[in-house]
Amino acid sequence: GQQVMQIPQYQHVQEGEDFTTYCNSSTTLSNIQWYKQRPGGHPVFLIQLVKSGEVKKQKRLTFQFGEAKKNSSLHITATQTTDVGTYFCAGRGDSNYQLIWGAGTKLIIKP
Amino acid sequence: DTGVSQNPRHKITKRGQNVTFRCDPISEHNRLYWYRQTLGQGPEFLTYFQNEAQLEKSRLLSDRFSAERPKGSFSTLEIQRTEQGDSAMYLCASSLAGYSGQPQHFGDGTRLSIL
Repeated sequence: GQQVMQIPQYQHVQEGEDFTTYCNSSTTLSNIQWYKQRPGGHPVFLIQLVKSGEVKKQKRLTFQFGEAKKNSSLHITATQTTDVGTYFCAGRGDSNYQLIWGAGTKLIIKP
Repeated sequence: DTGVSQNPRHKITKRGQNVTFRCDPISEHNRLYWYRQTLGQGPEFLTYFQNEAQLEKSRLLSDRFSAERPKGSFSTLEIQRTEQGDSAMYLCASSLAGYSGQPQHFGDGTRLSIL
């Protein structure tokens, strides 16, 4: 079945350093969504990418969708303590309604 | 917009008991999803409704699990004869319908603990 792999599982950074998480799908995706889950909270929608090669920015966050629509990345520039949480990608195949979720990348700010 | 509401927030029960959870979606959303999430994992899709019709159900879902959305508004998820492995956070999400996909809005979840 369709799978979405997300790496790394954890990333420890100093405040002010950059953070990147990557997702790879076993099949072509019709679109991909990104969510953030704060500790103890529920996933909150960040953005959706639909077009091949699409790049979208939200302040310090940059989201990319690969040319083949099988991979995606999220890059955060100059992390802040408010960025702490787990970032999930969730991809949708062409033939169904369900989102297939990655396992998430947990962003940890070193004290 | 009061958001997606789930209750109870926590449920502790003995193995073998039946449990039922409720989800009230955002009122204008006609799509409703149930997920299960365990520690360190992403949400795992369980089932999906469009209005009152259950359109998709995970093939991994045991027949002990059943969900309903009788009037196309709130939904219930029932687990019969609970097992230790059912311990997890059960999340409900809702969204508008849309061809290319719509953002899903999640509730705070029901945490199930099986003794």
